[in-house]
Amino acid sequence: AQTVTQSQPEMSVQEAETVTLSCTYDTSESDYYLFWYKQPPSRQMILVIRQEAYKQQNATENRFSVNFQKAAKSFSLKISDSQLGDAAMYFCAYRSAYSGAGSYQLTFGKGTKLSVIP
Amino acid sequence: DAGVTQSPTHLIKTRGQQVTLRCSPISGHKSVSWYQQVLGQGPQFIFQYYEKEERGRGNFPDRFSARQFPNYSSELNVNALLLGDSALYLCASTLAGSGVTQYFGPGTRLLVL
Repeated sequence: AQTVTQSQPEMSVQEAETVTLSCTYDTSESDYYLFWYKQPPSRQMILVIRQEAYKQQNATENRFSVNFQKAAKSFSLKISDSQLGDAAMYFCAYRSAYSGAGSYQLTFGKGTKLSVIP
Repeated sequence: DAGVTQSPTHLIKTRGQQVTLRCSPISGHKSVSWYQQVLGQGPQFIFQYYEKEERGRGNFPDRFSARQFPNYSSELNVNALLLGDSALYLCASTLAGSGVTQYFGPGTRLLVL
């Protein structure tokens, strides 16, 4: 079974600065997808960024970018020019490219709580 | 277009009772997944449904059941509630069973007393 580990329960960053959130995962598969989701206090899980394992190029979405190291099974999220609205729980998630048991479920880490200091 | 909707937003039940949670996917999406998120943890997969058929089940007891309707909306039922069932229940939809990105609803907060 796949596992996702987020080793930083909490992080803080000054407004306008850059912060990196860490995520490692364990899998024996070669094809899969990785995601970062943001969950603000409103509870709604919002997709931040997605990475396909077969793509060597790191995904970027405006101020958000990832550092995907397939061999190291590492998938970190970098937030540049941090804003107050970035404060939230951030979850790293894994999805297999194969439906071994018939489904395509997401496996989540425990999350990192990000605080943004004005 | 409306996103994934869930009802109710909050619910309080007592031990031993039964509860039904509802989810409407994004228009055009045919697959719905359910997740349980206990406070301080990441979401845990419960079920996936596609075209009204169960496509996968997580490690949850038989007290948990679900179904999907012809309009692709879904219900999650939990019988014989335990205190440990207190959690945020999230519904997510994808375009197809193999759809990559799951779009989440706002969740239903269930408190079991």
